[in-house]
Amino acid sequence: EDKVVQSPLSLVVHEGDTVTLNCSYEVTNFRSLLWYKQEKKAPTFLFMLTSSGIEKKSGRLSSILDKKELFSILNITATQTGDSAIYLCAVEAEDAGGTSYGKLTFGQGTILTVHP
Amino acid sequence: DAGVTQSPTHLIKTRGQHVTLRCSPISGHKSVSWYQQVLGQGPQFIFQYYEKEERGRGNFPDRFSARQFPNYSSELNVNALLLGDSALYLCASSLEGRRWETQYFGPGTRLLVL
Repeated sequence: EDKVVQSPLSLVVHEGDTVTLNCSYEVTNFRSLLWYKQEKKAPTFLFMLTSSGIEKKSGRLSSILDKKELFSILNITATQTGDSAIYLCAVEAEDAGGTSYGKLTFGQGTILTVHP
Repeated sequence: DAGVTQSPTHLIKTRGQHVTLRCSPISGHKSVSWYQQVLGQGPQFIFQYYEKEERGRGNFPDRFSARQFPNYSSELNVNALLLGDSALYLCASSLEGRRWETQYFGPGTRLLVL
């Protein structure tokens, strides 16, 4: 069974701090890893990673994948109160037929709280 | 442009009842996926539909069923509700099933089973 574990489960920081969120996975046929930000209800897409060692960057957020060690990190620099949210990591794996049929396996999420 | 819409926003049912949740995808999106998110956990995949056909199914009992209509809207049905079915049910639409960067989630339906 595919498994995704995120750490820490929760994190409290002050504005301006830099945070690193971790995601490790165990899947049979890895295809891609995704990061989402969930505020209130609807998760919003942040990054999709498919290749090791290639950093994806968007503003103060960046992410990298290590397919050998089976983990990814999401970095947020100069945090702001608007970064407070649940950050979800999800993995797409191919089934035995070589397709994934859109199944994502999510981790339990990291709750980030940024205080002013 | 309207995003993904879901109805109802909140719902309270009792054990043993049946529930139908509805999702309207973004215009032009042909794929709809359903997820269950229990409080304190990440979303869990239930179904994906593409062009009105089921393309994927998660590890949920047969009490859970879904369908997609010709206009690409979708319904999720849950029979014989259990207390453990209490959760936020998220619908996501995308151009195709695995175009994750084009996948958008709706606001969800919060279901409480008493």
